Amino acid sequence: QKEVEQDPGPLSVPEGAIVSLNCTYSNSAFQYFMWYRQYSRKGPELLMYTYSSGNKEDGRFTAQVDKSSKYISLFIRDSQPSDSATYLCAMSFRGSSNTGKLIFGQGTTLQVKP
Amino acid sequence: IAGITQAPTSQILAAGRRMTLRCTQDMRHNAMYWYRQDLGLGLRLIHYSNTAGTTGKGEVPDGYSVSRANTDDFPLTLASAVPSQTSVYFCASSDSGRMGTFFGQGTRLTVV
Repeated sequence: QKEVEQDPGPLSVPEGAIVSLNCTYSNSAFQYFMWYRQYSRKGPELLMYTYSSGNKEDGRFTAQVDKSSKYISLFIRDSQPSDSATYLCAMSFRGSSNTGKLIFGQGTTLQVKP
Repeated sequence: IAGITQAPTSQILAAGRRMTLRCTQDMRHNAMYWYRQDLGLGLRLIHYSNTAGTTGKGEVPDGYSVSRANTDDFPLTLASAVPSQTSVYFCASSDSGRMGTFFGQGTRLTVV
């Protein structure tokens, strides 16, 4: 079993839909949780960064962390065709020397159709 | 524009050849990383450096070496390339104690 599980999709939605992307993990020691967006043949781009449990909102994006269930989510409201990309969840352990040592999910490919 | 520069952007390499992937960052981040991305496996950490002069092994270090002579540069060397090292390689950096790890645009390497 992988430490971080993410459904690879693909996920196809109409423009304007609310998108829900999810990851589960097995190691309760993870403390930092991130979502990255990756366009085809580009590097991952940091979207959201949360510490421990709770919600964080940034524009159309909301990240949720439920440590008791070992489950994280990214919600995209009013989805746009420009949101079509692969979304990667990533996690790391506590400690300043660990924050960049990320464990990634496989990524979910999202397509938003006009 | 500040960020991470990787070179080359793509390369076809004969098996057994030596290759160095270059990475430079201008954000003055103290930590740097090399990841590889493979279909179905996601991104995996190869080597890292928490500060200039120090390096460490990640999840998949075999066949790779790194050095960190200064803050800005973090080259990754394949001493004798094998086909299983065909992958997309990403360099990344972060500032310890601050949020976020930032990635370069990648080097697409094919070993034949």
